[in-house]
Amino acid sequence: KNQVEQSPQSLIILEGKNCTLQCNYTVSPFSNLRWYKQDTGRGPVSLTIMTFSENTKSNGRYTATLDADTKQSSLHITASQLSDSASYICVVSARRAGGSYIPTFGRGTSLIVHP
Amino acid sequence: ETGVTQSPTHLIKTRGQQVTLRCSSQSGHNTVSWYQQALGQGPQFIFQYYREEENGRGNFPPRFSGLQFPNYSSELNVNALELDDSALYLCASSSLAGRTDTQYFGPGTRLTVL
Repeated sequence: KNQVEQSPQSLIILEGKNCTLQCNYTVSPFSNLRWYKQDTGRGPVSLTIMTFSENTKSNGRYTATLDADTKQSSLHITASQLSDSASYICVVSARRAGGSYIPTFGRGTSLIVHP
Repeated sequence: ETGVTQSPTHLIKTRGQQVTLRCSSQSGHNTVSWYQQALGQGPQFIFQYYREEENGRGNFPPRFSGLQFPNYSSELNVNALELDDSALYLCASSSLAGRTDTQYFGPGTRLTVL
């Protein structure tokens, strides 16, 4: 069964500090891994997309890494801001024989940034 | 804002009823995906439509069905509602049904089943 596990479940940090969120997956056959940011009551917003051959991708203060051998990914947030308070969701897609891509979502890490 | 709109915003139904949720995709997008997000959980993939054809389905029973129209807007229909169907339903549109397409999510429809 395809699964995506995220840790920690929740995290509280002070404004200006860095943090790293983890994602482990058992999705096969692997196609791509995405990180999303979801504010409370809103739809997710895409941060990064990585395929098998990519091991790092940046989007401003967000940097995602991928180790396809160990099936692990991390999202590093630099110099956190109050607006970074949100849920961060890891999504891993598998490609089916018919050519469609089936995503499996993690439960998300809830990040709270305090002033 | 992503340009993806969903209606209605909130909906209350009773068990056994049927419901239709609507999604207007971002201009130029031909692919729409639907997701169910229970409270405190990550979204779960229901299905995807590409150019009016179903293009992948998650582990949801047949009472969850969909349509995509020639203008690429989409509907999600749920028959015989159950209490566990209470969730936020999200749709996302993209310009490709491919590996690295960026999906743009709507704000969701909050469905409550009593």
